[in-house]
Amino acid sequence: DIVMTQSPDSLAVSLGERATIHCRSSQSVLYSSNNKNYLAWYQQKPGQPPKLLIYWASTRESGVPDRFSGSGSGTDFTLTINSLQAEDVAVYYCQQYYRTLITFGQGTRLEIK
Amino acid sequence: EVQLVESGGGLVQPGRSLRLSCTASGFTFGDYAMHWVRQAPGMGLEWVSGISWNSGSIGYADSVKRRFTISRDNGRNSLFLQMNSLRAEDTALYYCAKARGPHYYDSTGYSFDYWGQGTLVTVSS
Repeated sequence: DIVMTQSPDSLAVSLGERATIHCRSSQSVLYSSNNKNYLAWYQQKPGQPPKLLIYWASTRESGVPDRFSGSGSGTDFTLTINSLQAEDVAVYYCQQYYRTLITFGQGTRLEIK
Repeated sequence: EVQLVESGGGLVQPGRSLRLSCTASGFTFGDYAMHWVRQAPGMGLEWVSGISWNSGSIGYADSVKRRFTISRDNGRNSLFLQMNSLRAEDTALYYCAKARGPHYYDSTGYSFDYWGQGTLVTVSS
């Protein structure tokens, strides 16, 4: 199984500042044949289902604000939220869909400082 | 508008069975892979099972293998999860999720672009 490890488990950032969340996979999720990283980021607010933010590690889902961006390749990935807004308070999850046995990170709770 | 509506959850005793359903609308159901993801109270997301557009590829988490069975009926725009031999640790909110593409298998999979609101399964005596 590919183990996904996020860091930190929680962080508090001031409004208008940048939040950075890391995700590391125990194996590469980069498929050399198409040069795609099978890595997604989701946002989950209390009482709501998860919402897709980023797929293929860096492609923003339609309708997602451009202050959200994803980067990284292979085993190390980053979700960056620029100019943090109050509505960004949520738990963020990374997910690998490279293998048939899909796995999520443990989640990172983002709060306002 | 894409909609996924789960049903079938409830309180069930350990060792018993339950069948979850997910009814889809707003897209061509038969063109996409589908998945079940669960979330225990206060915990993170756990992928449970996935199925490709034509049911040709199916997979399960180790925690549910040989107890749960995923299936779909493209004519009825429906996804199912048959859960047998339920355990207390299966207690969770079960989400149905649509993949962004048709396939589900190593190196051909997709992320999940739409999720239902979930149906709660509680396993307790």
